[in-house]
Amino acid sequence: DGGITQSPKYLFRKEGQNVTLSCEQNLNHDAMYWYRQDPGQGLRLIYYSQIVNDFQKGDIAEGYSVSREKKESFPLTVTSAQKNPTAFYLCASRWGGANVLTFGAGSRLTVL
Amino acid sequence: GQQLNQSPQSMFIQEGEDVSMNCTSSSIFNTWLWYKQDPGEGPVLLIALYKAGELTSNGRLTAQFGITRKDSFLNISASIPSDVGIYFCAGQDDSGNTPLVFGKGTRLSVIA
Repeated sequence: DGGITQSPKYLFRKEGQNVTLSCEQNLNHDAMYWYRQDPGQGLRLIYYSQIVNDFQKGDIAEGYSVSREKKESFPLTVTSAQKNPTAFYLCASRWGGANVLTFGAGSRLTVL
Repeated sequence: GQQLNQSPQSMFIQEGEDVSMNCTSSSIFNTWLWYKQDPGEGPVLLIALYKAGELTSNGRLTAQFGITRKDSFLNISASIPSDVGIYFCAGQDDSGNTPLVFGKGTRLSVIA
């Protein structure tokens, strides 16, 4: 079955550590997105990529980094510069000709 | 960035009741989408709307694309316990190049 796989589902880290969240899709979608979700805040866009080797900052990119070396992969690194990294992170993808996003199941990051 | 005003923020209803929620924007959109998110999971697309005035149903769900292209609503008829979750609206503006804009969500609780 085609879909988006995010891993790990749950992740704990200590303050000052970088952590990378994985996002893989086998939908052959062109664009991929990372959102952060906090209670009552909705979905806030961190980074997005419309083609391989290219990506753009979203509304809350500070403290995060991404890469898009392959069409099917869009990993997100939460760096130590992110002041409040505890959140639920959602990856999504979209076929080039459509507006509909398909989401992964999310990764919950907790900073201890 | 752009924002959507989604209301209400939360609802507590009795099983069997009908539910209505809506989104408004200061910008004109050419696409409105409605997603549902179960606890701890990623959002799943419920209904997509592409034309002003369009009324679309998906089982007990009905959504409409406002005539002004600045609003949309979602109705759920005869609610059941599995309707519990967060409902998000999302819109795409005319440029087609900017990412989807999401509302902050409506949290629905159903009392059996």
